[in-house]
Amino acid sequence: KAGVTQTPRYLIKTRGQQVTLSCSPISGHRSVSWYQQTPGQGLQFLFEYFSETQRNKGNFPGRFSGRQFSNSRSEMNVSTLELGDSALYLCASSSGTAKAYEQYFGPGTRLTVT
Amino acid sequence: AQRVTQPEKLLSVFKGAPVELKCNYSYSGSPELFWYVQYSRQRLQLLLRHISRESIKGFTADLNKGETSFHLKKPFAQEEDSAMYYCALGGGSYIPTFGRGTSLIVHP
Repeated sequence: KAGVTQTPRYLIKTRGQQVTLSCSPISGHRSVSWYQQTPGQGLQFLFEYFSETQRNKGNFPGRFSGRQFSNSRSEMNVSTLELGDSALYLCASSSGTAKAYEQYFGPGTRLTVT
Repeated sequence: AQRVTQPEKLLSVFKGAPVELKCNYSYSGSPELFWYVQYSRQRLQLLLRHISRESIKGFTADLNKGETSFHLKKPFAQEEDSAMYYCALGGGSYIPTFGRGTSLIVHP
């Protein structure tokens, strides 16, 4: 099975701009979660989508949003970028059902905001 | 609420020494615990899960419900074990809760 893929791998944006990141889960997985990883805060959960619906949400401002398509692919959008949004954004997929909490991570998108 | 605590940010040992990465959790239901590992320049990957009771790359972890712990152990550390290790708890929200991670450095 092909693993989780994320595009783009690297991105440089300017403060105030917006950005969209994409994630393709493992075939058959219906849950996609997004995380922000920084040296200072570690791995922080952003949100999870399951069957095109947001099922869980972390403690991030409304500038961070996402969606999931019928093929389970997911996109994450960050509007009005701030310097503090510079991070590695990880996507993880899983079957999304109870008793199957193991997640499979993508390589991440490295976002740099200048 | 679910919570995972990894008390050590950094653990430094010499090759051949035993390793124990600590993980404590807080959860009122029936927990499912995992260890994830992230080697340098590689993606975060699942190392082991408590349900499987398996040993991966010489690592084992036993769920102790009385002490609410899931410590990761290896009797003899190798240099290639140097990585970031995350403990994660699965529960009713369907989303694993991750600890802050412990950086393991194994010196030659």
